[in-house]
Amino acid sequence: EADIYQTPRYLVIGTGKKITLECSQTMGHDKMYWYQQDPGMELHLIHYSYGVNSTEKGDLSSESTVSRIRTEHFPLTLESARPSHTSQYLCASSELPGKDSPLHFGNGTRLTVT
Amino acid sequence: AQSVTQPDIHITVSEGASLELRCNYSYGATPYLFWYVQSPGQGLQLLLKYFSGDTLVQGIKGFEAEFKRSQSSFNLRKPSVHWSDAAEYFCAVGGYNNNDMRFGAGTRLTVKP
Repeated sequence: EADIYQTPRYLVIGTGKKITLECSQTMGHDKMYWYQQDPGMELHLIHYSYGVNSTEKGDLSSESTVSRIRTEHFPLTLESARPSHTSQYLCASSELPGKDSPLHFGNGTRLTVT
Repeated sequence: AQSVTQPDIHITVSEGASLELRCNYSYGATPYLFWYVQSPGQGLQLLLKYFSGDTLVQGIKGFEAEFKRSQSSFNLRKPSVHWSDAAEYFCAVGGYNNNDMRFGAGTRLTVKP
């Protein structure tokens, strides 16, 4: 049972549109993450946050932006979608760094840009 | 730089047979190691994790994994596979701070009846 929720599950949108992928968690976790997942490839971290008003870029360059105004909410925005943004986007959360802080994932948003 | 290699892209086993999924990692410090499973249309679910101590760790759904430092491996095993185990399996390595966690490309498991 997922305690981290992503909407929409699927999104097909035209080039140039602005989109926001929603992610919310009910576990009270301080850290949240966005990963990009493509078939046959490792997951790539594109954004993360340590808590409210904290946002950092991950190791994969991304044209998206994120915000963290509330602990439970970590939306990802693409100002102008392009076909190269077609991918699956996974949101995750965890406790602050510590040995017992594995990632908890949402079910993902599959984005297709036409 | 840290990395994870899952040599097998796709494995097919018969229901009831044993399973071993391979994972090799490269990490400069003491690694934290994880196995996640992803069913179609779902996110990743944690199967098990290793931080320290006993090198054989037990996870959910009857899975176990063994950490072998000398071989830089963390292979996942299950003695008897069930049809519901068909999914994609991801090995991951990280440190104290999850920001540097690296995932393998995944191994897709198919279970034959």
